[in-house]
Amino acid sequence: QSVLTQPPSASGTPGQRVTISCSGSSSNIGSNTVNWFQQLPGTAPKLLIYNNSQRPSGVPDRFSGSKSGTSASLAISGLQSEDEADYYCAAWDDSLNALYVFGTGTKVTVL
Amino acid sequence: QITLEEPGPTLVKPTQTLTLTCTFSGFSLSTSGEGVGWIRQSPGEALEWLGIIYWDDDKRYRPSLKSRLTITTDTSKNLVVLMMTNMDPVDTATYYCAHSRRLPRCNGGNCYYFDFWGRGTLVTVSS
Repeated sequence: QSVLTQPPSASGTPGQRVTISCSGSSSNIGSNTVNWFQQLPGTAPKLLIYNNSQRPSGVPDRFSGSKSGTSASLAISGLQSEDEADYYCAAWDDSLNALYVFGTGTKVTVL
Repeated sequence: QITLEEPGPTLVKPTQTLTLTCTFSGFSLSTSGEGVGWIRQSPGEALEWLGIIYWDDDKRYRPSLKSRLTITTDTSKNLVVLMMTNMDPVDTATYYCAHSRRLPRCNGGNCYYFDFWGRGTLVTVSS
């Protein structure tokens, strides 16, 4: 099972702000950077945020990431219908000989 | 432009060995700071990291699967191969390969993130 916990679902109306949390521990989020991925239905994951808060080229600034202690969050402002997808946080974990762990995933629904 | 591609859908029988080839372009795995990882996703489930091979041929594997996994590369052919032995129906999943890049001013295997992904390939384990 995943060591990064996310809420199973989140929702909002177009234009609203939605925030997704990601809870970890000192061995992962507490000591390594956090990445966020968006997975549209039937497609491969896409990198949204890396190094806690940086956006790759081409990712709208409506998406923002932050980290504090052993938790991280992804915010989507100005929610749009095309943002309806699954979102995963991820980080390296220093326990058990180091592995990369993904969160449990959050399904965002645009009402 | 970085692209990665996995093969088409694969059917393997229980106990057989899975071999997947990821063909990539737009980068060289011989260049410092580059890597290629493998991630899988069972139907309706979350993503699960399997392993990574770095530019210096260092490798890391998911501890619970380490005895079954081998990742190799042929840098001259721009490909990375994942082998997974003793396949079981629970290994049925979509398998992705992904390019990994090292963060600036950061050293160590934990400094890498996955920025470009292949489309994935469905692997079905069934007799």
